[in-house]
Amino acid sequence: KNQVEQSPQSLIILEGKNCTLQCNYTVSPFSNLRWYKQDTGRGPVSLTIMTFSENTKSNGRYTATLDADTKQSSLHITASQLSDSASYICVVSAKTGANNLFFGTGTRLTVIP
Amino acid sequence: DAGVIQSPRHEVTEMGQEVTLRCKPISGHDYLFWYRQTMMRGLELLIYFNNNVPIDDSGMPEDRFSAKMPNASFSTLKIQPSEPRDSAVYFCASRKTGTVDTGELFFGEGSRLTVL
Repeated sequence: KNQVEQSPQSLIILEGKNCTLQCNYTVSPFSNLRWYKQDTGRGPVSLTIMTFSENTKSNGRYTATLDADTKQSSLHITASQLSDSASYICVVSAKTGANNLFFGTGTRLTVIP
Repeated sequence: DAGVIQSPRHEVTEMGQEVTLRCKPISGHDYLFWYRQTMMRGLELLIYFNNNVPIDDSGMPEDRFSAKMPNASFSTLKIQPSEPRDSAVYFCASRKTGTVDTGELFFGEGSRLTVL
């Protein structure tokens, strides 16, 4: 069964600290994995995409990793800012099937001053 | 481009009333998705269209829910009659095929529905 699980469900950190969010999946055959950021009251927006051949990709203070063997991805946020407070959703695409997107339930990150 | 446009942003209604949510996808996008988001279940796919044709509506919870896409620039999601358990945020998203990066969805800002 194709599933995406994220941990932790929620996280509170102090401004300036680093954090890591986890995403485990069982989606097969794997195409790509995206991390979305969803600010409160807004729609999700794509942060980064990871394909099978990519291990690490950075987007500013955000660094995503992918281990295709263990089917795990992480999103590391460096030097957190108050504006990083949001939900982060992991979405995995399968290569086949008309409905090929599988969503995690998200990690709610709160950055406090 | 203005992005995916949804209306209304907020809707409060009483149980039994009809609710219609609207969506304008990004021009040129040939896929349109309707999602429902709750704290407990996250984002759930209700239905999606390809070139205005409904492809998969298996996520529509009951016959009370219906969706249409009369043309490439407009879609509606209707709930009739509405119930308190329908309270959620409903998102419309669009994407286009034929690109190397085919996985990205572009979401609207959502319609927050409260059924009293």
